[in-house]
Order: sequence, then structure tokens, then C-alpha cells
Amino acid sequence: NAGVTQTPKFQVLKTGQSMTLQCAQDMNHNSMYWYRQDPGMGLRLIYYSASEGTTDKGEVPNGYNVSRLNKREFSLRLESAAPSQTSVYFCASSGRAEDEQYFGPGTRLTVT
Amino acid sequence: SQKIEQNSEALNIQEGKTATLTCNYTNYSPAYLQWYRQDPGRGPVFLLLIRENEKEKRKERLKVTFDTTLKQSLFHITASQPADSATYLCALPRSGGYQKVTFGTGTKLQVIP
Repeated sequence: NAGVTQTPKFQVLKTGQSMTLQCAQDMNHNSMYWYRQDPGMGLRLIYYSASEGTTDKGEVPNGYNVSRLNKREFSLRLESAAPSQTSVYFCASSGRAEDEQYFGPGTRLTVT
Repeated sequence: SQKIEQNSEALNIQEGKTATLTCNYTNYSPAYLQWYRQDPGRGPVFLLLIRENEKEKRKERLKVTFDTTLKQSLFHITASQPADSATYLCALPRSGGYQKVTFGTGTKLQVIP
């Protein structure tokens, strides 16, 4: 039981490049989330998916897109990376909306 | 707007003492509150959930209280150990639904041997 896995662990991009962060969970959870964590700002929700086939914007969605590929996988795409997107990105999942969230190990992204 | 406040300054405490961390919130009435632990370089790990109709909840050396009048939750670690050193985050559901929670910025706890 791997829980929530994320790839890659680290990434360096140049401004304007694109990339997709991958997330998968093996706990049969309905809800999945993408957060970014910056010093002094805490965790901020980018997008979430309440169930397979649905996605919704969170607090800071600009510059990102998501895909809920199936129940297990939820990807986050940066179409044109900007230095302001330098952050640590966490994927999380939960069985029900009020349930505890299980987090992945994070992706540390640097945009130069 | 909704706001969650956790003491941004680190809390240093002697091993064996009780650590008490505070989570204050304003401008809404959450149905529940969660506490997470985060170690450096890792994702947060869920510890406890307390509902609005529960005054107190315990799990091993952890105790959480929830005062909806004061709009405050206290998180206690009794008989603290160096292994308890981490950042502790509180999280509350956003108003209008359970689908999203807002996390506080966390308080860093350092337990000194």
C-alpha cells in the first residue's frame, strides 16, 4: 500500500516551459487535491476533484490546469511556468470530504 | 474573510513537559477542525479531528480542545519527546461546504532533550 505517490520529486524549469506533475493514490479515495506550500503562506489549495470526472478551482488556480484521469490519478499541469510558481507542490486524497487527507511526499519545483 | 492564525514563532519546550499549540480562527463557524504534523521535506500527516459538538478529544499523548465561543482550538502534547519536534498545522473547512479545508501556516515545535 503506497498511499499517495508523486512524481517527480524535484524539477527545475526555465520560464515559459511546461510540465505535468503526476499524482496517484491506491486507497480508493474519491477526493483528490493539489496544494502549493510557500514559506510563511502555508498550504494553499490549487485545484481539487471531489470525484472522478469532476474538478474545481481552489484558492490559487491561475496558471495551472488539472486532469482527473481516473479514480486513482490526478495530474497538475503548468502550461507556461513562471518564477512565481517556484514552490513545493503536494497532492492529497481523502475518502470523504471531511475525512483526513493523506498527502504525498511533495514535488519541489524551481522556475528560473 | 475567513482567517486562521497559528503562532508563527517556534515553540521551544523541555523534554517531558506539555506542549500547547494554539489555533485561532475568525469569521466563520466550522463544523470540525483537524490537526496535522509536518516534518521537514515531507507532506503533512493527519493526527486528530474534533467536531464542533466535542469539547475535547484524546489520542495517546495528544489532546485537542475546541472552543467555538472563543473560536479557538488548543493542541496539547503531554510528556513531550524530541521525536515530537515538527511543525503542527490546523485545518478548518471553508464555509459553504466540506469539500475544501483551509490550513493554518503552522507552529514549529522544538522539544529540547
